[in-house]
Amino acid sequence: GAVVSQHPSRVICKSGTSVKIECRSLDFQATTMFWYRQFPKQSLMLMATSNEGSKATYEQGVEKDKFLINHASLTLSTLTVTSAHPEDSSFYICSARVTRNQPQHFGDGTRLSIL
Amino acid sequence: AQTVTQSQPEMSVQEAETVTLSCTYDTSESDYYLFWYKQPPSRQMILVIRQEAYKQQNATENRFSVNFQKAAKSFSLKISDSQLGDAAMYFCAYTFRSDMRFGAGTRLTVKP
Repeated sequence: GAVVSQHPSRVICKSGTSVKIECRSLDFQATTMFWYRQFPKQSLMLMATSNEGSKATYEQGVEKDKFLINHASLTLSTLTVTSAHPEDSSFYICSARVTRNQPQHFGDGTRLSIL
Repeated sequence: AQTVTQSQPEMSVQEAETVTLSCTYDTSESDYYLFWYKQPPSRQMILVIRQEAYKQQNATENRFSVNFQKAAKSFSLKISDSQLGDAAMYFCAYTFRSDMRFGAGTRLTVKP
């Protein structure tokens, strides 16, 4: 149980393109979903926290207009990287959780490469 | 602000031996949760073990166990009978109310 599906796993696109990444909880309802960014050989950096039906809470330094997050249902959250540039290239990971005393369950991540 | 510190960037262990990974954290809260996650080269985040701060008993999960010292704000992970498949990045994490904070990670190498 507690499976989180993240799609796509790999994206390569041209600079200026907008990219949407989906995160789905397959067998549970996630009241809260999280989006992380991970640079090579570094830890996970929290970008934003989203609760179903409400606006996402962004961490300091994360541009909300660049990284659009939508959490329209209890099983789906999306991250859209708008007008992506090479500096946005990174590994993005989502996670989902039912309640705060439960562990976060992670998707397999998306490797984004902007040419 | 809550911070999580892993002071060992890299650790190495011989196969079948035991290794302990260190983690300390800083918080003023009393009711929180601690986790160890494993990230193999595939980069998938795998939950290894969790500990509720209100529980005095140390959590165990097969070959994995923790030494939770609440007063010292220490949460170390012990891996017994290390296997080649244990080689990965290990992240200590803290959560209270909402988000989760991760340490910088410890890269564990297992020597055959």
